[in-house]
Amino acid sequence: AQSVSQHNHHVILSEAASLELGCNYSYGGTVNLFWYVQYPGQHLQLLLKYFSGDPLVKGIKGFEAEFIKSKFSFNLRKPSVQWSDTAEYFCAVSEDGGTSYGKLTFGQGTILTVHP
Amino acid sequence: GAVVSQHPSRVICKSGTSVKIECRSLDFQATTMFWYRQFPKQSLMLMATSNEGSKATYEQGVEKDKFLINHASLTLSTLTVTSAHPEDSSFYICSARGVRDKPPNQPQHFGDGTRLSIL
Repeated sequence: AQSVSQHNHHVILSEAASLELGCNYSYGGTVNLFWYVQYPGQHLQLLLKYFSGDPLVKGIKGFEAEFIKSKFSFNLRKPSVQWSDTAEYFCAVSEDGGTSYGKLTFGQGTILTVHP
Repeated sequence: GAVVSQHPSRVICKSGTSVKIECRSLDFQATTMFWYRQFPKQSLMLMATSNEGSKATYEQGVEKDKFLINHASLTLSTLTVTSAHPEDSSFYICSARGVRDKPPNQPQHFGDGTRLSIL
């Protein structure tokens, strides 16, 4: 079974600071990659996804992520965070085919706290 | 669009009782629904996948008789935790994928989750 690892459990930043959240996965085959965000008291929402093509994908609210196949990584970035970005961020991976096609494996989540 | 409603949001009950959690797709038809469980400071763990009109597929280590899943319509799936015990206390989240979300790797739409506490 594959696994997904998010390196930081809690990240604290000031507004306007740059953000990078790490995500690594273990599956060696073709994968689909996702970042979800959960704002306080709300459900998980899709930030961005990667299926194929340009490894640098842009999502909503100024977020982007880069897929580096050789490093099995899909790190999330934002050049300048806002207080409203305070939330929990989950990286998720799905195998692109096979019996687990369409099933998500999640990382542990990273809580981002942005101070005004 | 693509709203998933989960009910109840929180439930507290005595050990030995059964608890039913509902997951509804409000504005789309959900051919597939997923049930996850999340422990504090841990990731969401997929428990089972249910397709409308067929039996749910459970992940390894998940007790089928403990966690009964029914997906009787294209807008409703239920998870019943039978004879719940304190170790079943957790955060349960459902997600859904619509008829139009093809192929199967399309993003899932998540409910708000249910906090289950067994005393």
